[in-house]
Amino acid sequence: QVQLVQSGAEVKKPGASVKVSCQASGYTFTAYYIHWVRQAPGQGLEWMGWINPNSGESNFAQNLQGRVTLTRDTSTSTAYMELNRLTSDDTAVYFCLRVGYSGYDPQVGWYFDLWGRGTLVTVSS
Amino acid sequence: DIQMTQSPSSLSASVGDRVTITCRASQSMSSYLNWYQQKSGKAPKLLIYAASSLRIGVPSRFSGSGSGTDFTLTISGLQPEDFATYYCQQSFTTPTFGQGTKVEIK
Repeated sequence: QVQLVQSGAEVKKPGASVKVSCQASGYTFTAYYIHWVRQAPGQGLEWMGWINPNSGESNFAQNLQGRVTLTRDTSTSTAYMELNRLTSDDTAVYFCLRVGYSGYDPQVGWYFDLWGRGTLVTVSS
Repeated sequence: DIQMTQSPSSLSASVGDRVTITCRASQSMSSYLNWYQQKSGKAPKLLIYAASSLRIGVPSRFSGSGSGTDFTLTISGLQPEDFATYYCQQSFTTPTFGQGTKVEIK
């Protein structure tokens, strides 16, 4: 079954870090870029960044530069998102997403056909 | 970043209605526009990509159109399972999403 399985909910204090995992199954992990998106309570969707599971290359949203790290473990087909120096504004559901085709096609751009179920990260003192 | 503005932010409709949601981009972006449906407490699901391509398995009552800066998602014959929030997403540059349109039961 093609799916992305994310780790469970986290509660963190301000200033702490959180690491969310996203394990892929049912397809060739290294063939499809993984993106991360977050959604604050009652709000819309905010793109965070992407990682190429094959090369490990990553890119991030400008407003998260320096606080987010995207990594992967090809031996377990797992992608990770780590966010540092948490504040209450980081309280959100974090989703990992798979791009809808292998590689990257500039004629099409990014669209996302497979989403994890989301991981709620709550930042509270 | 390209800003995406959806309208309306919410609407009320009845089963069987034709519903149209629009998405306007802050700059021209050809057909780099995708649509998603999100139900409460769930992850979004892809409906339309490249402005008008229907994802396999999505009912044909969903359709997308537009290019440049103005795009439309149409649901022809609203079904009970279609009450949800819909988001557009541009893929011309670093991805950005519209603020969402909530479709509620009238």
